[in-house]
Amino acid sequence: AQSVAQPEDQVNVAEGNPLTVKCTYSVSGNPYLFWYVQYPNRGLQFLLKYITGDNLVKGSYGFEAEFNKSQTSFHLKKPSALVSDSALYFCAVKTSYDKVIFGPGTSLSVIP
Amino acid sequence: SAVISQKPSRDICQRGTSLTIQCQVDSQVTMMFWYRQQPGQSLTLIATANQGSEATYESGFVIDKFPISRPNLTFSTLTVSNMSPEDSSIYLCSVEKGAYEQFFGPGTRLTVL
Repeated sequence: AQSVAQPEDQVNVAEGNPLTVKCTYSVSGNPYLFWYVQYPNRGLQFLLKYITGDNLVKGSYGFEAEFNKSQTSFHLKKPSALVSDSALYFCAVKTSYDKVIFGPGTSLSVIP
Repeated sequence: SAVISQKPSRDICQRGTSLTIQCQVDSQVTMMFWYRQQPGQSLTLIATANQGSEATYESGFVIDKFPISRPNLTFSTLTVSNMSPEDSSIYLCSVEKGAYEQFFGPGTRLTVL
């Protein structure tokens, strides 16, 4: 069965510092991996995805993520955090024959 | 991408009543999805709605409680029937575009008293 783990409920980072939001997954077959962001009182927005190809993928708002097959991870990163990045972040996984599974979410707080 | 609207944006309902949530997409899509989300928590898939066929429900969700309509390729409705306080949640519709990317509506915040 597919599963997604986000080991940190909450991540706090100072503005201007690099940020990492962690995600690990378990699937049978080749994974398709996604990050979504939910700003307060708003719907989810797609950030980036890995389907195939280069392990480092770049997305919206300066975010990037690295697919690591051996560690079954897909951590979200940004070199310099902004206060406006404070939001709830969801990792998600699917395979070509299965539905999307969302992780439990990580609340990111960027401190001025 | 896709632009999705939902109506109503929020509602407060009495126990035992029903509420129908509408989802409108700005382009034709094959599959539409309905999710439930408790504030600050993850998404739970209720069902997948394909135009011209019965919706496919996930474990724990049944058609009598959450009937879904999909009359065309840009529109769907989800009804929450015979509501109880446990149905209080945010209901989201989404569509899949491109290579498996999902686009979400703004959500309907439901409170059942």
